[in-house]
Amino acid sequence: GAVVSQHPSWVICKSGTSVKIECRSLDFQATTMFWYRQFPKQSLMLMATSNEGSKATYEQGVEKDKFLINHASLTLSTLTVTSAHPEDSSFYICSAPEGGPNNEQFFGPGTRLTVL
Amino acid sequence: AQSVSQHNHHVILSEAASLELGCNYSYGGTVNLFWYVQYPGQHLQLLLKYFSGDPLVKGIKGFEAEFIKSKFSFNLRKPSVQWSDTAEYFCAVMDNNDMRFGAGTRLTVKP
Repeated sequence: GAVVSQHPSWVICKSGTSVKIECRSLDFQATTMFWYRQFPKQSLMLMATSNEGSKATYEQGVEKDKFLINHASLTLSTLTVTSAHPEDSSFYICSAPEGGPNNEQFFGPGTRLTVL
Repeated sequence: AQSVSQHNHHVILSEAASLELGCNYSYGGTVNLFWYVQYPGQHLQLLLKYFSGDPLVKGIKGFEAEFIKSKFSFNLRKPSVQWSDTAEYFCAVMDNNDMRFGAGTRLTVKP
């Protein structure tokens, strides 16, 4: 199956700093990628839909100025957590559908962010 | 947007017991349905999916799921679980390019 990678796999940062997380589709192109957040022992919550060449679509309650998304190419989307605070500590997961937006999603391994 | 309900938060079974995990979504239309598994410390893996056709879908590792359109349900089943099936199971519904997950069901299989 298709492969989606994320980098870094984990990151620890100080409060107030910004952190960038990359999501790459390794063997296919994705015009759309999705960013999720997963709290411990909870489900995935969709944060935003990343669209190549246009602005991301954010879910209600997600601050677009805090979670900056850039879909620079057909294989790369980045999520930047700006001015991170301890409550932003979470597991961030991206996914990308192969062959079109409504097709099967392939998930990245996730990035664990810890903000001190 | 769809909401997805998984009825069981935590299921504990002995090895060789049969498993059924419930999943319901909120309203009709043309949807794609998925079950994912997340083993401890690992990322999501697709167990099976339904797009169209035979409503009884067979997936990996002996899992199957049945789509019942009239009930908006997509329950996951396995006739005989193994200790290695201990994991978190998520049902997901894709509706018009919008994918939503259920809260997940933690399955613990006792050896």
